[in-house]
Amino acid sequence: QVQLVQSGAEVKKPGASVKVSCKASGYTFTSYDINWVRQATGQGLEWMGWMNPNSGNTGYAQKFQGRVTMTRNTSISTAYMELSSLRSEDTAVYYCAREGGQLVKFDYWGQGTLVTVSS
Amino acid sequence: QSVLTQPPSVSAAPGQKVTISCSGSSSNIGNNYVSWYQQLPGTAPKLLIYDNNKRPSGIPDRFSGSKSGTSATLGITGLQTGDEADYYCGTWDSSLSAGHVVFGGGTKLTVL
Repeated sequence: QVQLVQSGAEVKKPGASVKVSCKASGYTFTSYDINWVRQATGQGLEWMGWMNPNSGNTGYAQKFQGRVTMTRNTSISTAYMELSSLRSEDTAVYYCAREGGQLVKFDYWGQGTLVTVSS
Repeated sequence: QSVLTQPPSVSAAPGQKVTISCSGSSSNIGNNYVSWYQQLPGTAPKLLIYDNNKRPSGIPDRFSGSKSGTSATLGITGLQTGDEADYYCGTWDSSLSAGHVVFGGGTKLTVL
């Protein structure tokens, strides 16, 4: 069965960086794009960007350009999202999601990773 | 302020029907497929509808989707208490130099 398992919760200080991992299993990792979506407490979903695990090509939301980097390690079927220059407003749950063959068809999601930015 | 507009909340009694609207523009809903997601409290979102009106396997036919022009609608019939959740619409938007995904602000469904 398809699964996306994310790394554990993180606490970071303002100005630091965080790197969240998303390990895929149950399907061919390089066949589907991985997207990252975040959600602040009590707020809605916010799309951050996508990555093609086969080519490594990426596309980022304008809001995060210059601060976010999405990478992958195909040998261990794992995608990564690194966000730098953290500020308190980045406190949120970060989700990875598989894009199942069509635009915005996010058919499988990770369990979420809480990133807390606090001094 | 979300690009896609959803009502903040809707409610209905068990067994009844409810619809949730999602309004956008020609750069997003008007020219792209819409997906809908259900988010139960404390869990990750779950895909309910894709390509405007298709249901993934395992999603009951109580859930339906439709699109007309620059608006989309999620319908839920035979409401159950387990349907209480937040619902989000999402689609591709081509208004900037690079396309991007946009979501509605979410609608909280209360089953009275």
